Parts: sequence; structure tokens; C-alpha cells
Amino acid sequence: QKEVEQNSGPLSVPEGAIASLNCTYSDRVSQSFFWYRQYSGKSPELIMSIYSNGDKEDGRFTAQLNKASQYVSLLIRDSQPSDSATYLCAVNWDGGFKTIFGAGTRLFVKA
Amino acid sequence: KAGVTQTPRYLIKTRGQQVTLSCSPISGHRSVSWYQQTPGQGLQFLFEYFSETQRNKGNFPGRFSGRQFSNSRSEMNVSTLELGDSALYLCASSGGSQETQYFGPGTRLLVL
Repeated sequence: QKEVEQNSGPLSVPEGAIASLNCTYSDRVSQSFFWYRQYSGKSPELIMSIYSNGDKEDGRFTAQLNKASQYVSLLIRDSQPSDSATYLCAVNWDGGFKTIFGAGTRLFVKA
Repeated sequence: KAGVTQTPRYLIKTRGQQVTLSCSPISGHRSVSWYQQTPGQGLQFLFEYFSETQRNKGNFPGRFSGRQFSNSRSEMNVSTLELGDSALYLCASSGGSQETQYFGPGTRLLVL
């Protein structure tokens, strides 16, 4: 089992819809959880970080963490074509010494 | 604050050569991590340095090495290049308590 798993997609949603991206991780002492967005040919940029169970909202983005289910998700409300990118889930372990990334989910938002 | 910088941005080498990539972290950040990204394998962790010490290492052969200087700048070296080393090499720095990582623009290496 991979340490951090994501559905590779592509996930296609119409403009204005809610995009839901999911990530599961293996059972270790996980410290911190992150969502990054990566446009083609560019480096990853941080969207959200979440450290405790529940929801965290930032603008159109909501991160949800459920440690009991080893599950973290990202919701994008009112999706825009500019949201089309690959979304990477990352989990930080070992006291912060190591961050493991999922393979990423490709999102397409159709105008 | 200036972001993470990486040099060079693009590099073309031939098999058997060696290459050195450089990363300057965000001012005040003491941790630098290196990743290799390829279309087939995604983002793979190479190693992480903190205060000139390697704290963690990924599953890469010994041809991949790194170091960190007292000013937190880091270099990674790949010796005896192979075609499969063609990739985007990303450096990320962190400095906060929750280890949020901020990425540089990357160095795209092509091995011919």
C-alpha cells in the first residue's frame, strides 16, 4: 500500500460546480497535512494546510481531515477554469523530517 | 520575503556526466528538502537537510547526494548520470513549526 494515495483522475467538473478531491494515507503518526496545486510545467504551490480533525475554510477552498479514517479531502467551490491543475496531497511524518506526496489528481474545469 | 530560488533552471547533460544543482531557501528557513518529479513516478523525496545535517533520506541510489551550507543554501549532486535521471528537480524550504514547505521553480534536467 502506498503511503499517500490519490485518485489520478482526470476529474472533470463544469464551471461553477464543486470539485471534490480525496486523499488517504497509511497509518503512522501523521503530523500535518497539506494540499498543493501544480500547473503544468510549474512547481507546486501551497493551497491549504490542516493539522486537526474537522474542516478548515479559506476562500473557495475547504480542507477536511478525518484522522480516524485516515482521510483528507479538498473541496473547491465555484470552480473556475483557472483551477484546472494537478492537486497534490502531502502528509508530514517523523517529527517533520519527511513529507510524502501523493501522485496527484488532475482537475479539469470546463467553461 | 524573496522565495526559494534554484539554479540553473534548465540543464542538458550526457550520460556518465555529473551535475550539481543549487537551492537558496527563503530567508530564515533552515530546512531544505529535495524532490525528483517525473511523469511516471510523481514527486519523490530525495533528502532533507537541517542546519547542515541530513535528517532524512529517500530511496535513491548513492549517486544522488547533497549538502547544506551554514547559510542554509543547499546543493545536490548526481554523479554518473543515467537517462532515467531526466526529471524536474525541486527544492523546498521550511522554517515554521508545522514544517510547511515552499517550493522553488525547479531545475529541469535532460540527460541525453
